[in-house]
Amino acid sequence: DAGVTQTPRHEVAEKGQTIILKCEPVSGHNDLFWYRQTKIQGLELLSYFRSKSLMEDGGAFKDRFKAEMLNSSFSTLKIQPTEPKDSAVYLCASSLMAGNTLYFGEGSRLIVV
Amino acid sequence: GQQVQQSPASLVLQEGENAELQCNFSTSLNSMQWFYQRPGGSLVSLFYNPSGTKHSGRLTSTTVIKERRSSLHISSSQTTDSGTYLCALEPSGGSNAKLTFGKGTKLSVKS
Repeated sequence: DAGVTQTPRHEVAEKGQTIILKCEPVSGHNDLFWYRQTKIQGLELLSYFRSKSLMEDGGAFKDRFKAEMLNSSFSTLKIQPTEPKDSAVYLCASSLMAGNTLYFGEGSRLIVV
Repeated sequence: GQQVQQSPASLVLQEGENAELQCNFSTSLNSMQWFYQRPGGSLVSLFYNPSGTKHSGRLTSTTVIKERRSSLHISSSQTTDSGTYLCALEPSGGSNAKLTFGKGTKLSVKS
């Protein structure tokens, strides 16, 4: 079985650009999460979907971050417009249901200049 | 304040030595999860441990709710154990969506 797949693995963007990160969860998983990881803040939850419905959208990230799940096997995270402080690793994770093991993707490393 | 505190922040070992990583928490807990992250890579789940002791090869996780702590013990460390170990607290009544992650322990095992 394929794990969580994220693309692109690396992205360099200029300030003000729009960036779309993509995630394919483990087949059959109902829960999907987007996290941001930085050295200072660690892992922060951006969005949480259950059966394609947005359950949490990480209050502090609302204004320029938008996650969508168009179908059960694909999700996107749009950052618009990007700022240098958005430079981080963006991780997607999925689980079968609440309380089950979380499976993480390799992450998308974003650098905004 | 921070709900989950991990210690130490970093640790350097000689191959063969044991390691004890700690996670202290300040809120009520449903379970503690432990993850391993290789340099530049994804997180891999090691343990889902609501209480007591669990073993997996050279790894042992112990969660003591009364003392508000969870530990990860690595015995006979190997260079391939190098990476970052993160604990994540799942609060009472919560789910993976409410996980609070520690800042991690960066482990380096030298040959």
